[in-house]
Amino acid sequence: SAVISQKPSRDICQRGTSLTIQCQVDSQVTMMFWYRQQPGQSLTLIATANQGSEATYESGFVIDKFPISRPNLTFSTLTVSNMSPEDSSIYLCSVQRTGFNTEAFFGQGTRLTVV
Amino acid sequence: GIQVEQSPPDLILQEGANSTLRCNFSDSVNNLQWFHQNPWGQLINLFYIPSGTKQNGRLSATTVATERYSLLYISSSQTTDSGVYFCAVGNFYGGSQGNLIFGKGTKLSVKP
Repeated sequence: SAVISQKPSRDICQRGTSLTIQCQVDSQVTMMFWYRQQPGQSLTLIATANQGSEATYESGFVIDKFPISRPNLTFSTLTVSNMSPEDSSIYLCSVQRTGFNTEAFFGQGTRLTVV
Repeated sequence: GIQVEQSPPDLILQEGANSTLRCNFSDSVNNLQWFHQNPWGQLINLFYIPSGTKQNGRLSATTVATERYSLLYISSSQTTDSGVYFCAVGNFYGGSQGNLIFGKGTKLSVKP
């Protein structure tokens, strides 16, 4: 399995500010994934982050709003910029094991409330 | 893309009862996972089961890939089983990696 440390676990932020979420993995991984889970909803992929290249964003998500860094093979950050109450969600990072078995593992999640 | 449907959307059980959760998917997959989301939002891996049957204590899962469905069985349910159960699938060719597609989940409430 993979051990993923995600922080902060929760935060309450003022609208118009930004929050950076960190995700640290205990082993090197090629791809890291960031998901958003709005209240009462399922998980939606925000972007895929590869080390050494620009993140790939899904439809409806843009780099200016959700900039991502991937400085090495064990670490990534997601920033939620210029926040509004609609950004209140759980944000999760995920990695997969390499090789044939592609089981995915998730960080503990960041519960964000924007007021 | 692949569509994932879970049923039922909500389930209320008395402690000690058994239940079956279903996940249907619209295309072939080589990754299927069941997760339990706890009240704090953390996703707990239950099963990695692209095919076949697995058991872990009171939980078991079966995936029939040719018929595009998976079942999660919970026996002798306990209040700690409450939460949302997600099925997620993916199709990754040649050992590649990619994101999972999630169903909308089954919200389970187990009453004492």
